[in-house]
Amino acid sequence: DIQMTQSPSTLSASVGDRVTITCRASQTISNWLAWYQQKPGKAPKLLIYKASTLETGVPSRFSGSGSGTEFTLTISSLQPDDFATYYCQQYNTRVGFGQGTKLEI
Amino acid sequence: QVQLQESGPGLVKPSETLSLICTVSGASIRSNYWSWIRQTPGKGLEWIGDIYHSGSPNYSPSLQSRVSISADTSKNQFSLKLSSVTAADTAVYYCARAGGFTYGGDAFDFWGQGTLVTVSS
Repeated sequence: DIQMTQSPSTLSASVGDRVTITCRASQTISNWLAWYQQKPGKAPKLLIYKASTLETGVPSRFSGSGSGTEFTLTISSLQPDDFATYYCQQYNTRVGFGQGTKLEI
Repeated sequence: QVQLQESGPGLVKPSETLSLICTVSGASIRSNYWSWIRQTPGKGLEWIGDIYHSGSPNYSPSLQSRVSISADTSKNQFSLKLSSVTAADTAVYYCARAGGFTYGGDAFDFWGQGTLVTVSS
């Protein structure tokens, strides 16, 4: 199985900050990577697919980059609604998720 | 708008079979792949398997011996059965739609709200 490792596990930031979350795959996954946002008690919400394509309706302050084994999710200017947990997910070989990054105030 | 809704018992006894149904509205399950995903505090998000209405299901290797996913196109539903459950199978279970060709495959664009299943006697 392909292992997905996110860092950091927890990230403390303030409104207006620029933040970056990293996701590393244990083997190359080309650009078959998605990012999700999850709030407590809710299902994950798709933000980005194919590593860098923004899902319809997702604010442009979210962006993704990377290919192969290293990927990043960047939020350019944090808004109060962005404090949540973020997951990466590979879909190159079956499906696997990272362990999550909790973004807190 | 595509909507998915999980249904089934919230409590299952150890060694018994967990059974859930996902009812889809706003889209046909004849299109796209449809997955089951679970979430636990300890293991995070775990993909269980998926199905395309006209093909064979795909399962996670770690659960393959215990899981079965099927589709009922007449009801626009797909279902999950997980046998010989233990406390480790206690989780929130989600059904989700894979976005398809535009997304390159299994990026999940629509999810159900999730249902908590507890395994306990």
